[in-house]
Amino acid sequence: TQLLEQSPQFLSIQEGENLTVYCNSSSVFSSLQWYRQEPGEGPVLLVTVVTGGEVKKLKRLTFQFGDARKDSSLHITAAQPGDTGLYLCAGGGNYQLIWGAGTKLIIKP
Amino acid sequence: NAGVTQTPKFRVLKTGQSMTLLCAQDMNHEYMYWYRQDPGMGLRLIHYSVGEGTTAKGEVPDGYNVSRLKKQNFLLGLESAAPSQTSVYFCASSWQTYTGELFFGEGSRLTVL
Repeated sequence: TQLLEQSPQFLSIQEGENLTVYCNSSSVFSSLQWYRQEPGEGPVLLVTVVTGGEVKKLKRLTFQFGDARKDSSLHITAAQPGDTGLYLCAGGGNYQLIWGAGTKLIIKP
Repeated sequence: NAGVTQTPKFRVLKTGQSMTLLCAQDMNHEYMYWYRQDPGMGLRLIHYSVGEGTTAKGEVPDGYNVSRLKKQNFLLGLESAAPSQTSVYFCASSWQTYTGELFFGEGSRLTVL
């Protein structure tokens, strides 16, 4: 069974700080997606990474796919209150996406 | 752009009652999915469809049925609701399965008393 573990489960920091959240597995994934979900809404795709070692940047967000394609990280530089939300990772499995439980991020002004 | 629309947004049922959740997408996507989201458990796939007239079981299909009579619609039914089915349900659609971007609706919050 393929599983994705996200850490930390919850993170509350001040505006302007940097942070990193993680998405780990013992299984290899063909691709990995990161979504952000705001309260009362569905998840929205931020990025997809497909190659081991790949790094993608989306403004202040940096996503990295592990060399072995078993893990990924999301780094946010100078976090802003607008970054608040639930961050979900999802890996391409055998016939469906495998989802992590998410990291709930709160950025305090 | 409507994208993916779910109805109803909220519903309260008594144990044993039945109901149907409707999902409609206007992006001409082949693939559609129903997920449930529970605290600390992430998204779990209930059923999915790879095209009009097709359906398949996901990770947690028991107690649910689905139908996809039209390409743009995907219905999720609960024949006899149980308190364990209290959850937030999300419909999603995509061009590709497994690795493609999923477009989600806003969710339907169901409470079974």
